[in-house]
Amino acid sequence: GDSVTQTEGQVALSEEDFLTIHCNYSASGYPTLFWYVQYPGEGPQLLFRASRDKEKGSSRGFEATYDKGTTSFHLRKASVQESDSAVYYCALRITGNTGKLIFGLGTTLQVQP
Amino acid sequence: NSKVIQTPRYLVKGQGQKAKMRCIPEKGHPVVFWYQQNKNNEFKFLINFQNQEVLQQIDMTEKRFSAECPSNSPCSLEIQSSEAGDSALYLCASSLRRHQAPLFGEGTRLSVL
Repeated sequence: GDSVTQTEGQVALSEEDFLTIHCNYSASGYPTLFWYVQYPGEGPQLLFRASRDKEKGSSRGFEATYDKGTTSFHLRKASVQESDSAVYYCALRITGNTGKLIFGLGTTLQVQP
Repeated sequence: NSKVIQTPRYLVKGQGQKAKMRCIPEKGHPVVFWYQQNKNNEFKFLINFQNQEVLQQIDMTEKRFSAECPSNSPCSLEIQSSEAGDSALYLCASSLRRHQAPLFGEGTRLSVL
């Protein structure tokens, strides 16, 4: 079935560290991939999306490249800040469905000053 | 700021009680989604609408969950007889088109005692 796997449940970094959060997916049809960020007490906010092979999404210094060959959409940021502390979700939508998103279990990022 | 408005923010019910939450989608967005996010950060798609029509919904065979999006009124999600396992964050999201990334509200946190 359609699914999203985020390898890291929790990531602890110091400011200015490099961030990678791994996201792999399984899709029964043509996928669109998303990264959302959720801060405490808030709903998820879209970072960016990608729907074509090798398409790169980016926002707020975060970026990810959709790789059809490895079925991946890993999130990266060159230099994290304390304000980046949040939960990050990779999500999948299958083209032709009703718009429903399938979310990964999320990665909690904690950045120490 | 554009946003999806969910009320109430917090809802406390006893087991067996009815729980109702409301959502005003972003202005002009005809597509509305409801998700349940549990304490383990797992997202469960519940139902989505385009205007007043249901696009897709989970198998609500227990019939405890019902939802509607009447014209010119807030959308709503109702649990007829709350159970402890229903305690979660209920997120409403809306989009202009089915295949646009949805905009999420801040959620209604339901606690069933």
